[in-house]
Amino acid sequence: AQKITQTQPGMFVQEKEAVTLDCTYDTSDQSYGLFWYKQPSSGEMIFLIYQGSYDEQNATEGRYSLNFQKARKSANLVISASQLGDSAMYFCAMREGRVGAGSYQLTFGKGTKLSVIP
Amino acid sequence: DSGVTQTPKHLITATGQRVTLRCSPRSGDLSVYWYQQSLDQGLQFLIQYYNGEERAKGNILERFSAQQFPDLHSELNLSSLELGDSALYFCASSVEMSGLYGYTFGSGTRLTVV
Repeated sequence: AQKITQTQPGMFVQEKEAVTLDCTYDTSDQSYGLFWYKQPSSGEMIFLIYQGSYDEQNATEGRYSLNFQKARKSANLVISASQLGDSAMYFCAMREGRVGAGSYQLTFGKGTKLSVIP
Repeated sequence: DSGVTQTPKHLITATGQRVTLRCSPRSGDLSVYWYQQSLDQGLQFLIQYYNGEERAKGNILERFSAQQFPDLHSELNLSSLELGDSALYFCASSVEMSGLYGYTFGSGTRLTVV
């Protein structure tokens, strides 16, 4: 079973509009972290936002916010006021494991390609 | 500039050859992770090193090996290359083993096997 599911292979959004990119995850750990990364066409992976499993408030970073619904195991990324430069692949990722378990790599979803239309 | 340096940025080589990809982590980061991004497999974790020691292995082929040196830079060695090894290889680093304070990715090395 996939640990991270991004059901939208591609999305279009009008410039200046808000857009939500979906991410659901599967884990039996109580302690985990959820990350969103942006990958523009140039290829680099840019960190956007992080949500810890014990964080009670939804994370926000500028125009990015994370809609964290723990019971539903979803961690959707909301981008407000989309800009042309937001056109890119977006990846949701999860870090599992308690401190001391020894392995803390990220597991990534397949990504969503966002295209911002002028 | 993320602070994680990967060299070379691009590499084109023939099947059967061996290549070495290099990663210098962000200053102060002790943990290095290698990931492979291919069209069919997506982003897959290969291997993690922490302060010179191997900590975790993912879907890394036996033809691939890695190490982390005393100055904390890491090298990923790919041998007997096949067409299917063509991919973008990322290195990421974190301050400590758990990634609790996040991960910083390098720009990647794009490997093309012809």
